[in-house]
Amino acid sequence: GIQVEQSPPDLILQEGANSTLRCNFSDSVNNLQWFHQNPWGQLINLFYIPSGTKQNGRLSATTVATERYSLLYISSSQTTDSGVYFCAVGNYGQNFVFGPGTRLSVLP
Amino acid sequence: DTEVTQTPKHLVMGMTNKKSLKCEQHMGHRAMYWYKQKAKKPPELMFVYSYEKLSINESVPSRFSPECPNSSLLNLHLHALQPEDSALYLCASSQDSWTGGGETQYFGPGTRLLVL
Repeated sequence: GIQVEQSPPDLILQEGANSTLRCNFSDSVNNLQWFHQNPWGQLINLFYIPSGTKQNGRLSATTVATERYSLLYISSSQTTDSGVYFCAVGNYGQNFVFGPGTRLSVLP
Repeated sequence: DTEVTQTPKHLVMGMTNKKSLKCEQHMGHRAMYWYKQKAKKPPELMFVYSYEKLSINESVPSRFSPECPNSSLLNLHLHALQPEDSALYLCASSQDSWTGGGETQYFGPGTRLLVL
């Protein structure tokens, strides 16, 4: 099956800082999603982005499918951005697989 | 509305108990999923239902028994669980039938299960 790696595993930021999270995957995909899991366990959809670039407020994401990676950008981070960010990928005939996550802590 | 609901939020059960987890969506989605998430780990797929039929069972022990009574509802029946089954159980749904990954999945808030 598809293998997913995320980096960095842990990230500590001061409020207001910018950050880039990376997701690498081992095979072609037709589904790539970024999620934020809050401290209560809720998985919140950030982006459905199997290719291209999208922006939503302070967040943006880029997937370069031919090079098998995706980036999530967080600008002007806030304490409410803390939590775990997961990249998950899938393809026809294969299950939806989550990466190990990046644990983000934003300090006031 | 992109809401998936799950009940109960928390569940404590003994190893001899029988309990059920419930998941509901009213988005007209035709694929529904159960995931298991252990602490500090990513979610792992357990079951997939597509058009109310079981499409995928990821070698889950028989003490977990899924059921899809209709297109909006998904249950997970639990019986004779072990303490290592304690985890967050997440339900998700996506719009179209299961074709293997090409649909946005929407997740419920999860049920935190503790097996004593």
